[in-house]
Amino acid sequence: QKEVEQNSGPLSVPEGAIASLNCTYSDRGSQSFFWYRQYSGKSPELIMSIYSNGDKEDGRFTAQLNKASQYVSLLIRDSQPSDSATYLCAVLNNNAGNMLTFGGGTRLMVKP
Amino acid sequence: EPEVTQTPSHQVTQMGQEVILRCVPISNHLYFYWYRQILGQKVEFLVSFYNNEISEKSEIFDDQFSVERPDGSNFTLKIRSTKLEDSAMYFCASSEWADIRGDTQYFGPGTRLTVL
Repeated sequence: QKEVEQNSGPLSVPEGAIASLNCTYSDRGSQSFFWYRQYSGKSPELIMSIYSNGDKEDGRFTAQLNKASQYVSLLIRDSQPSDSATYLCAVLNNNAGNMLTFGGGTRLMVKP
Repeated sequence: EPEVTQTPSHQVTQMGQEVILRCVPISNHLYFYWYRQILGQKVEFLVSFYNNEISEKSEIFDDQFSVERPDGSNFTLKIRSTKLEDSAMYFCASSEWADIRGDTQYFGPGTRLTVL
């Protein structure tokens, strides 16, 4: 059973701070990793994908991947109240019909 | 920007009734998916579909479920005889292809299914 684990939170940070969200996965053969944001009652919205070890930056977001440790993280710089949402880590299984396995999500609260 | 669309946004049905959830994937995408999310739980994979056939299905996707691409634009999920436990948000997603860097899945807004 391939698993993706996240701390459910809530993670509370003040406005302007850096939010750090973490995710571990069990399938060592995984190659594609995604962060989605989900507002309450809405669908997952893609933030970033990452495929190679190291950091990938996109605006205020930085994804980090460490395949040896089976660890993915997302940093949000200059956090805004509008960033308050649940952040979902998802791992793709290319050998099983491109099935995405999601973590349970971390709820982020950014306080003004 | 192209997006996945789903109809209806909310469907209420009686237990034992058939429902069809509809999706229009992004037009140049080749892979289509259905996921569901029971309130307060994880997003769960149901099925993937490529080249007019199922690529993969989960244990949830039993004989009560079926998928179809009836024309060049729509992708449907049918639940033949709904159960109370089928109440959930159902998300359709699509991706351009399966290879790395083309495998990003974009989600539709979802259909909330309520089974009474």
